[in-house]
Amino acid sequence: NAGVTQTPKFRVLKTGQSMTLLCAQDMNHEYMYWYRQDPGMGLRLIHYSVGEGTTAKGEVPDGYNVSRLKKQNFLLGLESAAPSQTSVYFCASKKGGGSYEQYFGPGTRLTVT
Amino acid sequence: QQQVKQSPQSLIVQKGGISIINCAYENTAFDYFPWYQQFPGKGPALLIAIRPDVSEKKEGRFTISFNKSAKQFSLHIMDSQPGDSATYFCAASTNDYKLSFGAGTTVTVRA
Repeated sequence: NAGVTQTPKFRVLKTGQSMTLLCAQDMNHEYMYWYRQDPGMGLRLIHYSVGEGTTAKGEVPDGYNVSRLKKQNFLLGLESAAPSQTSVYFCASKKGGGSYEQYFGPGTRLTVT
Repeated sequence: QQQVKQSPQSLIVQKGGISIINCAYENTAFDYFPWYQQFPGKGPALLIAIRPDVSEKKEGRFTISFNKSAKQFSLHIMDSQPGDSATYFCAASTNDYKLSFGAGTTVTVRA
């Protein structure tokens, strides 16, 4: 049982390049989330999904797209990376029903030059 | 604009001392208040959580105090140990299951 895994762990992009971050969970959780963590700002929600095939915008969605084609996977895409997207990205998941606890992955450190 | 305001940004405490981190919120619809602990290079992990119908919750050396009228809650780490050195985030959620996080507090416990 690996929990929540994220690929890749590190990435350096040039401005304007695109990439996809992959999040996978093996806990059969319904909900999945993408956050970004920046110094002094805590974690901010980018997009989230309440189930397979659904996605919704969070607090800071601009410049990002997501897809949840399979229940266990949640992809975060950057179509044209900007230096402002330099951050550490965390994926999280939680089971459905009345549970609030979110389980986080180990993070992806992205640098855009 | 952060919905949950957290202070201090950092604190240093001696081994065996008490660490106190405070958070305040405005949204009265929040009904779940967790604290997450994050070690360097790792993702956050749930430490302890409270609902607004209780004023205090204790788990081992960690205690949440909750003041509904003041819209404030705090984390107390008793008998702080070097292994407690980490960044702590308070958060709040409504029944839409989205978490709003505070800015984080870096705790350093000196041996």
